[in-house]
Amino acid sequence: DAKTTQPTSMDCAEGRAANLPCNHSTISGNEYVYWYRQIHSQGPQYIIHGLKNNETNEMASLIITEDRKSSTLILPHATLRDTAVYYCIVIRVGGSEKLVFGKGTKLTVNP
Amino acid sequence: GAVVSQHPSWVICKSGTSVKIECRSLDFQATTMFWYRQFPKQSLMLMATSNEGSKATYEQGVEKDKFLINHASLTLSTLTVTSAHPEDSSFYICSASGLAANEQFFGPGTRLTVL
Repeated sequence: DAKTTQPTSMDCAEGRAANLPCNHSTISGNEYVYWYRQIHSQGPQYIIHGLKNNETNEMASLIITEDRKSSTLILPHATLRDTAVYYCIVIRVGGSEKLVFGKGTKLTVNP
Repeated sequence: GAVVSQHPSWVICKSGTSVKIECRSLDFQATTMFWYRQFPKQSLMLMATSNEGSKATYEQGVEKDKFLINHASLTLSTLTVTSAHPEDSSFYICSASGLAANEQFFGPGTRLTVL
């Protein structure tokens, strides 16, 4: 079973920031938080990951709470092409470990 | 990022036939490859994990004799659906890992329809 919980769906206006929450209250100290997204009928795409510090890359920012029990993925200026299912996954540090996908959040960016 | 390809992107076959799906890491060596299946409106479900040169590890409930996985090289893994039936119709996705710990890169998926 997935170790994370996410809202089933969210809507966002084009050009506005999309903030996607994820709860991972049972996360262990040696587990990362990873975010992937899946656009309809395509393979998942890696977005960002973090351990305890906030992270930013060209796609998004990841804010992890100090107790690491939850995180928020931020798409600063959402576009219509960001409409997708977003998955938050926790995975142990080190080694090639299998990803367990939950149901994710269906983000719809509206014009 | 690293590129993973799948071939074919879609396939239609008759019930009872076998179908082979290829997964290739194009610009890196994949020590581990994963195969997932996704039914409509559902999430990805891991089917098996394969390491180059060794037998695949199948998830509970996945028939290893029906879903044959071969990972003969560091850039290629194949999934063969044997004696396919309509209930095997699904979206099959592979991922590859090898560049760094926990980095998995996904292929574009293969849509299988069994008539």
